[in-house]
Amino acid sequence: QLQESGPGLVRPSETLSLTCIVSGDSINTPFFYWGWIRQPPGKGLEWLGTIYYSGETYYNPSLRSRLSIAVDTSKNYFSLRLTSVTATDTAIYYCARRAVRPDRFDPWGLGTLVTVSS
Amino acid sequence: QSVLTQPPSVSGAPGQRVTISCTGTSSNIGAPYDVHWYQQLPGRAPKLLVSGDTHRPSGVPDRFSGSRSGTSASLTITGLQAEDEADYYCQSYDISLSGSVFGGGTKLTVL
Repeated sequence: QLQESGPGLVRPSETLSLTCIVSGDSINTPFFYWGWIRQPPGKGLEWLGTIYYSGETYYNPSLRSRLSIAVDTSKNYFSLRLTSVTATDTAIYYCARRAVRPDRFDPWGLGTLVTVSS
Repeated sequence: QSVLTQPPSVSGAPGQRVTISCTGTSSNIGAPYDVHWYQQLPGRAPKLLVSGDTHRPSGVPDRFSGSRSGTSASLTITGLQAEDEADYYCQSYDISLSGSVFGGGTKLTVL
């Protein structure tokens, strides 16, 4: 089970920070990656990035300059930081577990809506 | 503009069969990387429907099936039911982007 948490409102130019708490499963495993996906209101899914338990990260090239993902294996959670946000970053943010191969995302968290507005 | 191309919408009457296409390139589906399908009911998180082109997770009805050919994949739903009305997304891996890619999503309407 995965659960996203973080502020629902972020001001433009500030940093969006979210945490995904993983329960019933250990992040410290070589069999899975852990990822972030977002969905702007009324739009489709966009992969943001993925992290391995070792800390190895993979980012969407369009967000690489603003995005960082970290993992804390001792507390069994991973996190996302997106800097210099604008209104276009308003979205539902999902965290999900990704198998190493095949690279499916399952399960997903419930998602958390983050609105960027002053 | 999504890396994987899906039709924006499809529709069908109860009991009918519909197919949703997902077109990619030699960098993703044609590489070949696995294609996965997700169902997103209104107001809910996406749920894995078909994995690795054709495999259904436990609990997914056999009315849902996946296939692939070359740089494209398809999701077929037979015996349409009202509860199938949802958005459907395909997903694969893209070697040139070194990451996961999604289709733009297809809204299924059950008439």
